Amino acid sequence: DADVTQTPRNRITKTGKRIMLECSQTKGHDRMYWYRQDPGLGLRLIYYSFDVKDINKGEISDGYSVSRQAQAKFSLSLESAIPNQTALYFCATSDPTGYGANVLTFGAGSRLTVL
Amino acid sequence: ELKVEQNPLFLSMQEGKNYTIYCNYSTTSDRLYWYRQDPGKSLESLFVLLSNGAVKQEGRLMASLDTKARLSTLHITAAVHDLSATYFCAVDLSSGNTPLVFGKGTRLSVIA
Repeated sequence: DADVTQTPRNRITKTGKRIMLECSQTKGHDRMYWYRQDPGLGLRLIYYSFDVKDINKGEISDGYSVSRQAQAKFSLSLESAIPNQTALYFCATSDPTGYGANVLTFGAGSRLTVL
Repeated sequence: ELKVEQNPLFLSMQEGKNYTIYCNYSTTSDRLYWYRQDPGKSLESLFVLLSNGAVKQEGRLMASLDTKARLSTLHITAAVHDLSATYFCAVDLSSGNTPLVFGKGTRLSVIA
């Protein structure tokens, strides 16, 4: 099994629908992130969480919400999807202990299309 | 606000040639990361550079960090087709308590 699992991997939905993307990890990392990838724009941070009780907005949090249900689970919700939220979404985890670097482990990605 | 810029954004190379990808960032930091993304895949960590003058090498790729210039380079030696991918650099602040900020990526295509 993958260290970081995202579901669903692909989703097509309609404008106005509520969508949840789920992320679970088996690495035991405290830190979890949601990034969005659009062609030519790189990865942009939506939300991040450094532990179960910590939630922080990223660069592009408008239109999104998150829930950190447990150390291993971090879900991203689109309350009312719109077409410009069509993108590839990545969940990632990190553990800065050890040699102190914040190396991210990424999930496989969730491709979302909003019609 | 931390900003990370990569150039070039697109690079078409002939096999056997050398080239360098540049990554500039806006705020003092001594922590820089390089990732690789194959088409349709996720990102994988390539290098972690944690001090001024750090140099890491793996195969035909070599990364270096100049914190005074706020610049990292990813040098490709004698390119081969298997290196075709998108390469991202990312930076976080020296405290380690900020998330990574990514550049827009460099799409590398190695052609025969």
